[in-house]
Amino acid sequence: GQQLNQSPQSMFIQEGEDVSMNCTSSSIFNTWLWYKQDPGEGPVLLIALYKAGELTSNGRLTAQFGITRKDSFLNISASIPSDVGIYFCAGQRGNTGKLIFGQGTTLQVKP
Amino acid sequence: DTAVSQTPKYLVTQMGNDKSIKCEQNLGHDTMYWYKQDSKKFLKIMFSYNNKELIINETVPNRFSPKSPDKAHLNLHINSLELGDSAVYFCASSPEGLAGLYNEQFFGPGTRLTVL
Repeated sequence: GQQLNQSPQSMFIQEGEDVSMNCTSSSIFNTWLWYKQDPGEGPVLLIALYKAGELTSNGRLTAQFGITRKDSFLNISASIPSDVGIYFCAGQRGNTGKLIFGQGTTLQVKP
Repeated sequence: DTAVSQTPKYLVTQMGNDKSIKCEQNLGHDTMYWYKQDSKKFLKIMFSYNNKELIINETVPNRFSPKSPDKAHLNLHINSLELGDSAVYFCASSPEGLAGLYNEQFFGPGTRLTVL
């Protein structure tokens, strides 16, 4: 079946540091999405990417849709304690709305 | 105002019971989804409905039956609950029509189901 490989699985960083995580797939996707999940909550959409090569920012977050359409990365600059959570990439093929999720990256930020 | 709401937040029940989880969205979206998140936090789609019509039906035991009385509601009924059904179930919704927006799915807060 379709799979997304997300890395790293977890990160423990110092406040103020930059963070980078990525997702790769053996299949092409038309859309890449990045979500954040806080404990006890549902995932919240951070950034949506629709075109190969697209680079999109949302505040301190920047994400890119890989040229091959098989990968995407998310960068967080100048991390703060509230960045703590699980970050998920999700890809979509076709137009059914079906999202394939990565395994998640757990981010911990030390003040 | 809550965009996507689910009830109950927590559900603890015995094996073999039948239970339902309700979902409502007030975003005016046409499409709603059910996802299952396991103990390793892996999220997997189960079903999607568009304007009360079933669109996605993943390989899910037929003990799980979604029901959409109208496009703002998608309920999940589970028969004969098993230990392996324990997970967090998320409802989500998305708009439809314009290219790309179909994929911007908004999630509810989740229902943690524990089967004893």
